Amino acid sequence: DQQVKQNSPSLSVQEGRISILNCDYTNSMFDYFLWYKKYPAEGPTFLISISSIKDKNEDGRFTVFLNKSAKHLSLHIVPSQPGDSAVYFCAAKDSGGGADGLTFGKGTHLIIQP
Amino acid sequence: DAGVIQSPRHEVTEMGQEVTLRCKPISGHNSLFWYRQTMMRGLELLIYFNNNVPIDDSGMPEDRFSAKMPNASFSTLKIQPSEPRDSAVYFCASSAGIRLPGNTIYFGEGSWLTVV
Repeated sequence: DQQVKQNSPSLSVQEGRISILNCDYTNSMFDYFLWYKKYPAEGPTFLISISSIKDKNEDGRFTVFLNKSAKHLSLHIVPSQPGDSAVYFCAAKDSGGGADGLTFGKGTHLIIQP
Repeated sequence: DAGVIQSPRHEVTEMGQEVTLRCKPISGHNSLFWYRQTMMRGLELLIYFNNNVPIDDSGMPEDRFSAKMPNASFSTLKIQPSEPRDSAVYFCASSAGIRLPGNTIYFGEGSWLTVV
């Protein structure tokens, strides 16, 4: 029973265009959301996060949008670069209680084509 | 500054053998996590420790799996006996305090386990 869902296993985008990665969650107690990026043979690395009190957080080429009513968040990368090719994991946390640790989605493999 | 260190990086073992994976968290971090990555289930939390104490092991799949954290700088994940379906990448991660919203988890490079 996946509480964090990334329904697109892979996404192919042309270099220079916008990449949009989507994530849905079911647990209404989640109040903090993160995106991790993973290259082959490496561990996931933190990319960007957003608290549930916000609906947008921007860091350079990366922007995360949160729609609490829809229980949906998305990661926008613009412009996309070849080095962005990686697996992106959406993660969520209930900071106020419940289980600690992050709950991850299955990941979306982003491929940036030259 | 060293990150989370895991060993071995790769392990190939025969079914029925004992496997021990090791982890050294980032110095000063008081929360440690073991995750498993598979194609089918993505990244699953197996167990986490806070101040060396196991807090939640509900993600541990079976009694064949056990984890210990004898001190703040070392943890092990043991599988005994191992089975082919245990083949996965096992990640150790640490954080400075998971309950603070701003804290994130830092992952090691993973231990790639293949059970034949």
